[in-house]
Amino acid sequence: GENVEQHPSTLSVQEGDSAVIKCTYSDSASNYFPWYKQELGKGPQLIIDIRSNVGEKKDQRIAVTLNKTAKHFSLHITETQPEDSAVYFCAGTSGGGADGLTFGKGTHLIIQP
Amino acid sequence: DGGITQSPKYLFRKEGQNVTLSCEQNLNHDAMYWYRQDPGQGLRLIYYSQIVNDFQKGDIAEGYSVSREKKESFPLTVTSAQKNPTAFYLCASSIPTGGQPQHFGDGTRLSIL
Repeated sequence: GENVEQHPSTLSVQEGDSAVIKCTYSDSASNYFPWYKQELGKGPQLIIDIRSNVGEKKDQRIAVTLNKTAKHFSLHITETQPEDSAVYFCAGTSGGGADGLTFGKGTHLIIQP
Repeated sequence: DGGITQSPKYLFRKEGQNVTLSCEQNLNHDAMYWYRQDPGQGLRLIYYSQIVNDFQKGDIAEGYSVSREKKESFPLTVTSAQKNPTAFYLCASSIPTGGQPQHFGDGTRLSIL
């Protein structure tokens, strides 16, 4: 089955700087890679996703890049703000997506004022 | 607003007791999922269902059971056979074709008395 590894486990950046979180996956058949943001006591919220036929996708301050050859994808957050502080999870699908997502272990992003 | 409702938010289980977690969605999604989240861990798939009256085991199904009698509802029972049930449980739903985003509820935190 799919295995997703995520780094770093904790990331502290100054407000206004950029943050990058990286994930690798094992199953070359995986074709969908969402990123979720989870605040304390809440469920994960989808913030951006990318499919295997696309190399990069942007949405305002957030971007995701995908390297299918190397089997890794990254989340980029620019101009970080205090409200970006949360736990971020990457995920990948195998088996058609409706079989569920395989998640990384999460990155606790801390924005220092 | 469409969404997923999980109840209760907090649940306590006595030794040897079965407890049932509720998950209801009004997004008209065919696929539903249950995940378990432990501190510092990613989400792990317990069970999933792609259509009414059908469900499949995920990666950690032992000690859990589900039913899918209605499209809107996918309750999870944590049985006495689950020896370490203390965790945060998350329910999600999606369109059951490959590469679709999953929408999560706000979870139920289960603790042992």
